Amino acid sequence: EPEVTQTPSHQVTQMGQEVILRCVPISNHLYFYWYRQILGQKVEFLVSFYNNEISEKSEIFDDQFSVERPDGSNFTLKIRSTKLEDSAMYFCASATGTNYEQYFGPGTRLTVT
Amino acid sequence: ILNVEQSPQSLHVQEGDSTNFTCSFPSSNFYALHWYRWETAKSPEALFVMTLNGDEKKKGRISATLNTKEGYSYLYIKGSQPEDSATYLCAFEGIYNQGGKLIFGQGTELSVKP
Repeated sequence: EPEVTQTPSHQVTQMGQEVILRCVPISNHLYFYWYRQILGQKVEFLVSFYNNEISEKSEIFDDQFSVERPDGSNFTLKIRSTKLEDSAMYFCASATGTNYEQYFGPGTRLTVT
Repeated sequence: ILNVEQSPQSLHVQEGDSTNFTCSFPSSNFYALHWYRWETAKSPEALFVMTLNGDEKKKGRISATLNTKEGYSYLYIKGSQPEDSATYLCAFEGIYNQGGKLIFGQGTELSVKP
């Protein structure tokens, strides 16, 4: 069964460094998402992406964040200058757009020290 | 601010017990209600997507109901098994969210003891 994959599973970085989290969505999907969960808090929406542009973004998704679909298969989330409060589990999801279902990857745990 | 609440936060039951949890969501601008099952270190797995008031869905021993007028959904597990141990998440999708943004509850953590 097709699945969303994410790499790496765990990333440790120092404050101020740039990180890129990578996702490979399901191949025929057209809608792509990033969510995150800070430990002990709710899963929260970051951004949705369709037709090579951002459809919607949350207040969290400021200028330090960007998304890209560089080659038609990968979907990346870049954090330019990480802060301690960016430590969280980051989930990628994708959807066909013909039904409501979003398929989630297993997440990347980002630890900023 | 749209808020989605789930109760209880955690539940410990014996194998064979039936159980249910609640998801409360805004009753206006409703588009869909999603239920996910999430085991540690795995991807959250979609259980149900519910769109119509009064909807009931079933998958094996798990079923869910939806009341959009009052803003709640129940998830039922009949005859819980240890493999049902997981966190169950609900997520609200509003009609004005063009990109399919999901607003999640905090989850109900279910532990089933053999």
